[in-house]
Amino acid sequence: QKEVEQNSGPLSVPEGAIASLNCTYSDRGSQSFFWYRQYSGKSPELIMFIYSNGDKEDGRFTAQLNKASQYVSLLIRDSQPSDSATYLCAVKRTDKLIFGTGTRLQVFP
Amino acid sequence: GAVVSQHPSRVICKSGTSVKIECRSLDFQATTMFWYRQFPKKSLMLMATSNEGSKATYEQGVEKDKFLINHASLTLSTLTVTSAHPEDSSFYICSARDEERDTDTQYFGPGTRLTVL
Repeated sequence: QKEVEQNSGPLSVPEGAIASLNCTYSDRGSQSFFWYRQYSGKSPELIMFIYSNGDKEDGRFTAQLNKASQYVSLLIRDSQPSDSATYLCAVKRTDKLIFGTGTRLQVFP
Repeated sequence: GAVVSQHPSRVICKSGTSVKIECRSLDFQATTMFWYRQFPKKSLMLMATSNEGSKATYEQGVEKDKFLINHASLTLSTLTVTSAHPEDSSFYICSARDEERDTDTQYFGPGTRLTVL
């Protein structure tokens, strides 16, 4: 079992819809969770981090964390074609970030 | 804030030569920086953790004599790929933490694409 698992996609959603990206992790002791966006050929950029159970909202983005289920998700409201990218989930383990393989999101007009 | 730069952005070299990649934190001091490698359509793989003033910590399977890391100041870490081979061709990305702001979040540099002929 991988430490951080994501569906590779692609996840295709129409413009204006809500995109839901999911991530599960295996280490129950994990405390810090991150979502990064990576455009093709570029490096990752931080979207959000979340430490506590529940929802955390930032603009069109909402991160959701459920430690009991070892599940973290990212919702993107009013999806735009510019949101088309690979979304990487990362979990902090000791001093490092462990990344999932990423979910490719395609937003079509 | 939390800007990380890398230089060069792209490098092409001949097999057997060495290539140095610089990673700088521009607006904060970084005691710890991280070096990753990413092959096409694959996820980020941590190569090593770079610690200012001490030796780097390498991940299992990463040759420390081939990938030399130096973290001589609080704003600069360098990765030198020695005796490069075509299989070293990859996207190398560094990251740094702004530990005064947050000890967990890593901010990434723009990456260096290395092609070894």
